[in-house]
Amino acid sequence: QKEVEQNSGPLSVPEGAIASLNCTYSDRGSQSFFWYRQYSGKSPELIMSIYSNGDKEDGRFTAQLNKASQYVSLLIRDSQPSDSATYLCAPGQNFVFGPGTRLSVLP
Amino acid sequence: GAVVSQHPSWVICKSGTSVKIECRSLDFQATTMFWYRQFPKQSLMLMATSNEGSKATYEQGVEKDKFLINHASLTLSTLTVTSAHPEDSSFYICSASGTGRSPLHFGNGTRLTVT
Repeated sequence: QKEVEQNSGPLSVPEGAIASLNCTYSDRGSQSFFWYRQYSGKSPELIMSIYSNGDKEDGRFTAQLNKASQYVSLLIRDSQPSDSATYLCAPGQNFVFGPGTRLSVLP
Repeated sequence: GAVVSQHPSWVICKSGTSVKIECRSLDFQATTMFWYRQFPKQSLMLMATSNEGSKATYEQGVEKDKFLINHASLTLSTLTVTSAHPEDSSFYICSASGTGRSPLHFGNGTRLTVT
């Protein structure tokens, strides 16, 4: 079983819509979770960290964590074309990345 | 926020030569640094993990004698691609982590072209 499972997409949403990115993980002991965004041709950047069950909001981004279900999600409200990128979910001290979810926001 | 500086951002070298890439954590001590390689439209591939003062741990299939990693201090790690060949042309990215529950902080990457 892979450590992290994400729908590789592409996920296409119209501009202004909510984009929902989902991630399941296998390590029940994971205590921290991170979302990274990678634009094409660039290196990844950290956009959200979440450590506790529930929601964490930062601007248009909301991370949701459910440790019992081993599930973490990222919601992007009012999606913009500039949000088009690949999003990588990484639980805990996970340094091996999968393909992530490619998001395309259509103008 | 934590900053990781990676240099150079791009380099072109001739086949058979060696190239050194530097990765520095500017405002935190990086207990662990990671080196990745990424080919176009592919996932990040972890090459090796290094801890300060100890030998790097290489992922399966990565030649340790070709990709030399030195992590001499808590703020600096270097990757040297020795005897580079065109197939080594890729995007190399370093990242650094503090302790415990810290996220990874990535450098801006180095685009290597071997002619």
